[in-house]
Amino acid sequence: DADVTQTPRNRITKTGKRIMLECSQTKGHDRMYWYRQDPGLGLRLIYYSFDVKDINKGEISDGYSVSRQAQAKFSLSLESAIPNQTALYFCATRGGTIGELFFGEGSRLTVL
Amino acid sequence: GEDVEQSLFLSVREGDSSVINCTYTDSSSTYLYWYKQEPGAGLQLLTYIFSNMDMKQDQRLTVLLNKKDKHLSLRIADTQTGDSAIYFCASPKRAAGGYQKVTFGIGTKLQVIP
Repeated sequence: DADVTQTPRNRITKTGKRIMLECSQTKGHDRMYWYRQDPGLGLRLIYYSFDVKDINKGEISDGYSVSRQAQAKFSLSLESAIPNQTALYFCATRGGTIGELFFGEGSRLTVL
Repeated sequence: GEDVEQSLFLSVREGDSSVINCTYTDSSSTYLYWYKQEPGAGLQLLTYIFSNMDMKQDQRLTVLLNKKDKHLSLRIADTQTGDSAIYFCASPKRAAGGYQKVTFGIGTKLQVIP
């Protein structure tokens, strides 16, 4: 089983719909992240959380919100999806001796 | 992100060496990382270097760090078709509150020609 699990893996939705992407981890790490990947733009940080009570905006938080329900769970919501939010979304945790990031396999979202 | 810069694309022939370059801005990083993303998959740590090192070698991989110029490179010797992937340079950056968050470059797509 993967250490960082994202659901759904693929989602097609329509403009204006509310979408939630979920992430759960078994690494036991406090730090969790949501990134967005677009071709030619690399990975951009949406939100990050250093523990359940500490949530911070990243570079591109507009149009997104997050919830850290527990140490192991960090979900990303799009309250009203728009087409330019079509992207590949990654959840990650960070920890260990060298502060490595551990990524989920990604959630591909298409907004029509 | 603009704090970490790398080129978009590199094409090499199988058996040749590949060199992927990266520049970063934040000198407070204790470690610098290279991640690999294979098609349809998430990113995985490929290698890293401690900031007080100039070079690290791990089998076919060599990481060079020039702290003065804030330049990091990844050399892959005897490049194989299985090395075709996107390679991301990553640098932790100090955020508000003294925490570090990891900033990624745009990723270099390595194409290996048989």
